[in-house]
Amino acid sequence: KAGVTQTPRYLIKTRGQQVTLSCSPISGHRSVSWYQQTPGQGLQFLFEYFSETQRNKGNFPGRFSGRQFSNSRSEMNVSTLELGDSALYLCASSLYGQGGDNEQFFGPGTRLTVL
Amino acid sequence: AQSVTQLGSHVSVSEGALVLLRCNYSSSVPPYLFWYVQYPNQGLQLLLKYTTGATLVKGINGFEAEFKKSETSFHLTKPSAHMSDAAEYFCAQKGANAGGTSYGKLTFGQGTILTVHP
Repeated sequence: KAGVTQTPRYLIKTRGQQVTLSCSPISGHRSVSWYQQTPGQGLQFLFEYFSETQRNKGNFPGRFSGRQFSNSRSEMNVSTLELGDSALYLCASSLYGQGGDNEQFFGPGTRLTVL
Repeated sequence: AQSVTQLGSHVSVSEGALVLLRCNYSSSVPPYLFWYVQYPNQGLQLLLKYTTGATLVKGINGFEAEFKKSETSFHLTKPSAHMSDAAEYFCAQKGANAGGTSYGKLTFGQGTILTVHP
């Protein structure tokens, strides 16, 4: 079974631009979560989607948004990029999201650099 | 708010020595606890998890962790370190919200970089 895939793997943008990152979960998984990883703040939860609905959201500004499609694939969008948005963005999928034994499987991440 | 604290941002051991990475979580009922490993330029790989039941949890690559509710700890150990264990390790918690369900949100510790010397 294929793992979680994220595209693109690397991205360079300039301040003020917007960016869209894509995540394809493991087949059959319906929950997709997004995390931002930076050296200063560590791993921080962005949001979680289940059956095309955002079910949980972290403390990020409205410039960060996401969506999930009927095939469970998910995209996240960052508008008006700032230098501080440079980070590794990780996507994780799980069967249902709920429940402690629904472990999350992570993709390799998208490395975003904002110049 | 939930919080996870990993004691020691860097741990250095010799090959063959005991590995001990410390993690304390905030009290939650029930706490679901995880250890992940991250190699350079890669995503996170699950090492082990505690949900309910036995407090000593065995994971992959010879790692294990013990859930101690009285100490709110979930330390990761490995009896004998290998060079291939050099990586960054993250402890994470997924707790229940007020409604008793836990959605897909993990709260991570700051990470511990493990260095293994020959």
